[in-house]
Amino acid sequence: DQQVKQNSPSLSVQEGRISILNCDYTNSMFDYFLWYKKYPAEGPTFLISISSIKDKNEDGRFTVFLNKSAKHLSLHIVPSQPGDSAVYFCAASARGSSNTGKLIFGQGTTLQVKP
Amino acid sequence: GAVVSQHPSRVICKSGTSVKIECRSLDFQATTMFWYRQFPKQSLMLMATSNEGSKATYEQGVEKDKFLINHASLTLSTLTVTSAHPEDSSFYICSASGLAGGQADTQYFGPGTRLTVL
Repeated sequence: DQQVKQNSPSLSVQEGRISILNCDYTNSMFDYFLWYKKYPAEGPTFLISISSIKDKNEDGRFTVFLNKSAKHLSLHIVPSQPGDSAVYFCAASARGSSNTGKLIFGQGTTLQVKP
Repeated sequence: GAVVSQHPSRVICKSGTSVKIECRSLDFQATTMFWYRQFPKQSLMLMATSNEGSKATYEQGVEKDKFLINHASLTLSTLTVTSAHPEDSSFYICSASGLAGGQADTQYFGPGTRLTVL
């Protein structure tokens, strides 16, 4: 059972335009969501997170939106840069439960930003 | 801040041998460390969760006698793959959480270890 889903395996955008990466989840107990960026043969790098008490969190070029009723979150990158090309994972956690902060990851979306 | 290191970054071993991978939080105390493995073009799969000074909690399907985890201090956790076989070849990644204040619930990942068992 895939509790966190990233239905788009890949996305290609032009430099300077907006990149929108989507993520859906099924477990209503999730209350904390994160986005990570990953290059091949490296560990994921934390980008941005959002708590379920918010619907938006912004950090520089990165904005995460959360729609709890739809169990959907998205990561917006604007403007997109070639260096943003990587695999992006969304992850979710149910901090209110006793799961010791375990993260459930989506399958990842490969973003390619073309110059 | 929030830097996690892993050693070694790459290891090749013969079938039947044991391999130890270290995970260190360099600038914060990690109350909890996590071990993941990633197969090519797949997501990260959690193997186990470890808290300093206590036994690790393994995910379903992960053999605890094969993947020994020790979390002896707030900055070091080790994963030992015992009697490694070619099917254990994978990319192993650790993460740590417990940053005082701020992003306390965020996991910070190490760079990963590529294990190849011949």
